[in-house]
Amino acid sequence: GDSVTQMEGPVTLSEEACLTINCTYTATGYPSLFWYVQYPGEGLQLLLKATKADDKGSNKGFEATYRKETTSFHLEKGSVQVSDSAVYFCALIRFSGGYNKLIFGAGTRLAVHP
Amino acid sequence: DAGVIQSPRHEVTEMGQEVTLRCKPISGHDYLFWYRQTMMRGLELLIYFNNNVPIDDSGMPEDRFSAKMPNASFSTLKIQPSEPRDSAVYFCASSSTGLDETQYFGPGTRLLVL
Repeated sequence: GDSVTQMEGPVTLSEEACLTINCTYTATGYPSLFWYVQYPGEGLQLLLKATKADDKGSNKGFEATYRKETTSFHLEKGSVQVSDSAVYFCALIRFSGGYNKLIFGAGTRLAVHP
Repeated sequence: DAGVIQSPRHEVTEMGQEVTLRCKPISGHDYLFWYRQTMMRGLELLIYFNNNVPIDDSGMPEDRFSAKMPNASFSTLKIQPSEPRDSAVYFCASSSTGLDETQYFGPGTRLLVL
C-alpha cells in the first residue's frame, strides 16, 4: 500500500545552518505531496505542497521538489532559525473510491539552537 | 475564520469513565477527520466523514471508541469506558472537496486517563 518514509530524528542544528529532511514515498500513480509542521503544543499546519512531478513547493524559506524518478520530496532550508524548531511531517494524498485521505510519515523533530 | 475548534483542550479522567471530545470544523468544509497522536504510534487516522457520513472507520481501535457527526458543524469522538492506554493527543481536521485539498487541523485535545 501507499506509504511515506522520513529520516529519523531528532535533527539538531545551530542557527543559520542548512537543513535537509529526507522523505521518500511509495504509491501508485503520482499523488500530491505535502509537508506539514507541528510547533510545540499545536496542531499540524500545512507548510508546503506539490501536486505534480517537478513541481516545487515553497513557504517561509522552506522548499521541496517533487521528484518522481527518485520518489522523493525532501524538505530544505538554507538558513534555519530557532523558531523553526518543530516536528515536520511528510505526507501524500491517496484517492480511493471517490474519497481521499492523507498518509503521513512518522515525523522528524528539528531542534535549532542559538 | 476561526479555524477548527476543539474542546476541551485538556482532559484528565479516571479509568472507566466516559470521555467525549468535540470538534467544530471550518465552515463550508465537507470532510472531517479524527486523528490520535502518541509517542509510540505517531499520528493515526481514526475515522473520517464526508458530508456528515462516516466513510472509513478502520482506524478506530476498538468498540470503546465511537464518533458521530450529527450536522456539518459538529462532531464528537467518544471513549467509553476509557483506559490508560487511550492517553494521547486527539486532533480533528477538516478539508473541502477536491483531489488535493489541504487538511486544516485543530489545536488538539490532550487526554490523560489515570
